[in-house]
Formats: sequence, structure tokens, C-alpha cells
Amino acid sequence: QITLKESGPTLVKPTQTLTLTCTFSGFSLTTSGLGVGWIRQPPGKALEWLASIYWDDDKQYTSSLKSRLTITKDTSNSQVVLTMTNVDPVDTATYYCAYSLFVWGFHYWGQGALVTVSS
Amino acid sequence: DIQLTQSPSFLSASVGDRVTITCRASQDIRNNLAWYRQKPGEAPNLLIYIASTLRTGVPTRFSGSGSGTEFTLTITSLQPEDFATYYCQEPNGYRTFGGGTKVEIK
Repeated sequence: QITLKESGPTLVKPTQTLTLTCTFSGFSLTTSGLGVGWIRQPPGKALEWLASIYWDDDKQYTSSLKSRLTITKDTSNSQVVLTMTNVDPVDTATYYCAYSLFVWGFHYWGQGALVTVSS
Repeated sequence: DIQLTQSPSFLSASVGDRVTITCRASQDIRNNLAWYRQKPGEAPNLLIYIASTLRTGVPTRFSGSGSGTEFTLTITSLQPEDFATYYCQEPNGYRTFGGGTKVEIK
């Protein structure tokens, strides 16, 4: 059974760095074809893909936020970490991590973590 | 970047109705398209990938078609749990999501 769960702060101040951790089970990120991505959703708005990391350590970022994002993996602890620098209130959103199989989409999702950026 | 435009943005329908949602890509994405359903307060759930492949366990009332720049998601007989928001996504290159289509009860 594949599960993912996001963890991190619920409140972050503007200009700070946000660090989110995705802890997963039921698969290994050393398996060919697998990846974990981060997607966010501001309240009442659409989904936005942020970043993905793959079994071969390939990393992909959305172009609009590439300078502010870093994604890493810790395969021994089954975790993927996303950091976002210099946060702003517009970064307030529910952040999801999700499992991808090849390039077929996100098959499994975490429950999401609401992050509010406010002073 | 690839843009995905969904239409309509909102639609009202009744249980048992046939519903079609369109997703148009700003450039040719071949068959690299996925569809998701997101119920209120929940994470999205993958329904279809590679444009027309139904994910295991997804009811057969859902179907997808299209290639290139135009794609459709069809629900043949709308059920109460289908009143939700639907998103398309290009999962291969830019991984862009469409703006969503909210299906409401008429």
C-alpha cells in the first residue's frame, strides 16, 4: 500500500524559507521509473505543479519558481524535501506531495498540508 | 511553457446526465494527458492517463479521448460523488495543470 504524508510548518513569515517534508511508504525511490512531486493549491484556486524528483536523481522545477525551489530525496528514510526561499503571502496554499509512475501522472497523493504565509 | 485551457470552467448537471469536459493544449502534447477528480476538502485522484487509459479501479463511466492539442473527459452517467472539480494535466514535460472544471448539481 502506497502512502505519502506531508509535514512542515503551518505558519511562515514573509521572506523566510519554507521547508516541507514528504514521508512515504510502499515504494522505494530507487526503483526505475518512479518519482515524487510537489503540487500546491491556493485556497479556492487551481493546482500548480512545483517540482519533481526521480529515481535517478533527475530534478525538474516549474520555470516560474525555479530560482526559489530545491527538491532533494533521502532514500534511506523514504523522504523527499522541498525548500522554498523568500516566501510571500501569495505562497499561502495547501501543499501536496504525490507519487508518479513514469510520466503517467500522479497516481497517489498525500492528504496535503496547509501553509499560511503571514507576518 | 505549455498552457492547458479547460472548458467550461463551471457546469451544472443532474444525476444521470452525460457530461463532457474539454482540455486544449497550447502546443502538441501527443497523448501525454492525465485527468483528475478532486472532491471538496480532498486531494485529487487520478482517473485517466495517457489520454485514454482508465486507471485500475476507476468506474467505467469515465472515459478520455484526444491527442495533439484537444482532449475530452466524458462521464456517461453522472453520480452523486462526481460533483467535484476536474483537472487535466500534461505529466511529461511541463507538468502543467489546467484551470479546472467545477461540476455542480443543477
